Amino acid sequence: QVQLVESGGGVVQPGRSLRLSCAASGFSFSNYDIHWVRQAPGKGLEWVAFIWYDGSQKYYADSVKGRFTISRDNSKNTLYVEMNSLRAEDTAIYYCAREKWAAAGGRRNYYFDLWGQGTLVTVSS
Amino acid sequence: SSELTQDPAVSVALGQTVRITCQGDSLRNYSASWYQQKPGQAPVLVAYGKNNRPSGIPDRISGSSSGHTASLTITGAQAEDEADYYCNSRDRTVNHLEVLFGGGTRLTVL
Repeated sequence: QVQLVESGGGVVQPGRSLRLSCAASGFSFSNYDIHWVRQAPGKGLEWVAFIWYDGSQKYYADSVKGRFTISRDNSKNTLYVEMNSLRAEDTAIYYCAREKWAAAGGRRNYYFDLWGQGTLVTVSS
Repeated sequence: SSELTQDPAVSVALGQTVRITCQGDSLRNYSASWYQQKPGQAPVLVAYGKNNRPSGIPDRISGSSSGHTASLTITGAQAEDEADYYCNSRDRTVNHLEVLFGGGTRLTVL
């Protein structure tokens, strides 16, 4: 079954750290760029970070740069995000999402074709 | 940084046609993709690029774009189309790449 399953969420105090995992199955994980996307309670989607298929390039949203680190272990088919110096505003459901692209008219159409069910992170004292 | 702008809420009568729009400078260079999200569920891809749909998405849902505006059109809206819809794109400069989501449009089917 083709799926992504997040884990590691929970309640954490401000300033502390947490690591989330995203386990992939049913497809060749090492062939795909993977993203973290979050959604604060009652709010919209916010992109967090993504990592190239081979881990060689990483990109971050300004809101998490310097605090979050994305990584992957292709031998374990698993994506991670290490979240440090957590703030109340980091409270959200965190989704991992697989990116694909299609060539059209000389440019690429990027899209997320597979999402996990999400894991909730609550930053609170 | 760039942003994508969507109307917060749109309503449509059952069986009628509705268009949800997304505006942003990044759309001149990168195509949009669209996601449907129902309460308590993860987002689901419904359209990407110029009128591409994943398998399983009904053909009453279609995407289009012109200039800095992308649109998602639902022709003959059904009750099950009631959801939040998000557009997505990316923006890249010489030194920076970011992935963008619109603020979302809540579609109500009357």
